[in-house]
Amino acid sequence: QQPVQSPQAVILREGEDAVINCSSSKALYSVHWYRQKHGEAPVFLMILLKGGEQKGHEKISASFNEKKQQSSLYLTASQLSYSGTYFCGTERSGGSNYKLTFGKGTLLTVNP
Amino acid sequence: NAGVTQTPKFQVLKTGQSMTLQCAQDMNHEYMSWYRQDPGMGLRLIHYSVGAGITDQGEVPNGYNVSRSTTEDFPLRLLSAAPSQTSVYFCASSYAYRPGVGTGELFFGEGSRLTVL
Repeated sequence: QQPVQSPQAVILREGEDAVINCSSSKALYSVHWYRQKHGEAPVFLMILLKGGEQKGHEKISASFNEKKQQSSLYLTASQLSYSGTYFCGTERSGGSNYKLTFGKGTLLTVNP
Repeated sequence: NAGVTQTPKFQVLKTGQSMTLQCAQDMNHEYMSWYRQDPGMGLRLIHYSVGAGITDQGEVPNGYNVSRSTTEDFPLRLLSAAPSQTSVYFCASSYAYRPGVGTGELFFGEGSRLTVL
């Protein structure tokens, strides 16, 4: 079952912050975050494991609430290069990263 | 290091034709997967493999076959193409996740855009 991402789309001005959420109705082992620019392949941002710490990547960080089966991606002081579609991918059991279930994506547009 | 290489990048087929999308990786990854991406649907898993000789079905396997005779190659076969198979196909590979060794991230190929008329 696909995780649900919200919002579906968000438009920012450069320097503004955004939060993208990912929730699942099933117990999760991990949550992956990827960014895809138009016409390109998805690129890995970070992985959050059950029982693990909050992760960070440049000015992008994320959290994983195991009790609620929710993850949030935080983009601070957004840059033009952050534009793209963000996908969360969920893993229900350990060692099954070969079969992630992806959400439908959140389109982020950062304008000057 | 080429990473994950997919061919062809573009293909147009007629309904009923068959074809094979090629995927090769040079990172010695155990895991390989095929996803399809359709507008507004995200990435959906077609088939995956956890090692040479081992394959299994994902969410949307109908109409597709796979095999994994070597660690490096994981071709996807369309048996009898249908317009519903018009999509962008991504091959991905990864290590098995091991704490302190790898992140478990997926490395994606550049994609193959398939149109079935």
